[in-house]
Amino acid sequence: AQTVTQSQPEMSVQEAETVTLSCTYDTSENNYYLFWYKQPPSRQMILVIRQEAYKQQNATENRFSVNFQKAAKSFSLKISDSQLGDTAMYFCAFETRDDKIIFGKGTRLHILP
Amino acid sequence: NAGVMQNPRHLVRRRGQEARLRCSPMKGHSHVYWYRQLPEEGLKFMVYLQKENIIDESGMPKERFSAEFPKEGPSILRIQQVVRGDSAAYFCASSPFGTDTQYFGPGTRLTVL
Repeated sequence: AQTVTQSQPEMSVQEAETVTLSCTYDTSENNYYLFWYKQPPSRQMILVIRQEAYKQQNATENRFSVNFQKAAKSFSLKISDSQLGDTAMYFCAFETRDDKIIFGKGTRLHILP
Repeated sequence: NAGVMQNPRHLVRRRGQEARLRCSPMKGHSHVYWYRQLPEEGLKFMVYLQKENIIDESGMPKERFSAEFPKEGPSILRIQQVVRGDSAAYFCASSPFGTDTQYFGPGTRLTVL
């Protein structure tokens, strides 16, 4: 079975600090995509960052970067210089070969002023 | 280019009524996906459609739920004889091709009284 596990249900950090959200996944596929989605209180699902499994280089998007370790099936998200607007639920997700996205249960992140 | 549109944003139904949720994909996107999010959970895949075709409905409950994506018009997720357990947020996503990034709509929050 293909699964995504987020071991941190909730986290809080001070504004401007760096925070890392953990994610592990399980699959027998070799080529796939990994994502981090942000869901603010508005409930909109916003794509934060995407990683292609065949690329060794870690994806980055401004203050957001990932640490992708394929052998360990680990895909953590690092948020640098955190801002109040980063407060949200963050979902790690994996896209299967047949185009379904499997989501983790999420990490609720609070950025404190 | 307008994003994925879903309506209504909020829908209230009494037990036994029918719920119809609509999704208009982004312009140029011919692949539509429906996901359900129960409270405090990640999104769960329900169904994947192309125009006039159901590609994968492995996540759909066997009874009361159906989905279509006609040649013209939006994709429809239909829930017959709703029960309280159907209360959830239903998200639609679209992509231009099956293996491309899925872009999510704002979701429809269904409440069954």
